[in-house]
Amino acid sequence: GQQLNQSPQSMFIQEGEDVSMNCTSSSIFNTWLWYKQDPGEGPVLLIALYKAGELTSNGRLTAQFGITRKDSFLNISASIPSDVGIYFCAGQPLQAAGNKLTFGGGTRVLVKP
Amino acid sequence: DTAVSQTPKYLVTQMGNDKSIKCEQNLGHDTMYWYKQDSKKFLKIMFSYNNKELIINETVPNRFSPKSPDKAHLNLHINSLELGDSAVYFCASSPYYEQYFGPGTRLTVT
Repeated sequence: GQQLNQSPQSMFIQEGEDVSMNCTSSSIFNTWLWYKQDPGEGPVLLIALYKAGELTSNGRLTAQFGITRKDSFLNISASIPSDVGIYFCAGQPLQAAGNKLTFGGGTRVLVKP
Repeated sequence: DTAVSQTPKYLVTQMGNDKSIKCEQNLGHDTMYWYKQDSKKFLKIMFSYNNKELIINETVPNRFSPKSPDKAHLNLHINSLELGDSAVYFCASSPYYEQYFGPGTRLTVT
């Protein structure tokens, strides 16, 4: 089946830093979505991208739909402690049935001790 | 004003039992989903319903049976529970591509 490779698998942040994560696929995707999951909660939609090259912001978050339609990245600027959590990319493959999304394995964002 | 709600939040049961998880959405979406999240946090779709009709049925054991009495509800019934069924189960709904998740049900099978 479709696979999304998300990297890094985990990262440590220090307050005020900018951080980036990305998601790549071997096949073309129609849509890219970025979610954040806090412990004990369900994933929350952060940003949705629908066109190749699209760059969209949501507060300190910025995400881009790659030109090749096979990748996307998420940037968090001036990170704060509540940015800790698991970030998932998700995409809709070109010929997926029923709005089916494929999820990446997640990037775990942790605070530097 | 909860958008997607699930009950129960936690479910602890013994192997061999039958249990159900309920999901309701008040967003007016036509499509609802069930996902399983394993201990490594990997999210895998199980089922999807559009307006009470099953449209996605991934490779899931027959012991799992979804039921959608109306487009605002999608329940998940699990027969003969096994240890490997322990996971967090998420319900989600969507108007199109953007999916909105419930808070999850943590199922522990002992």
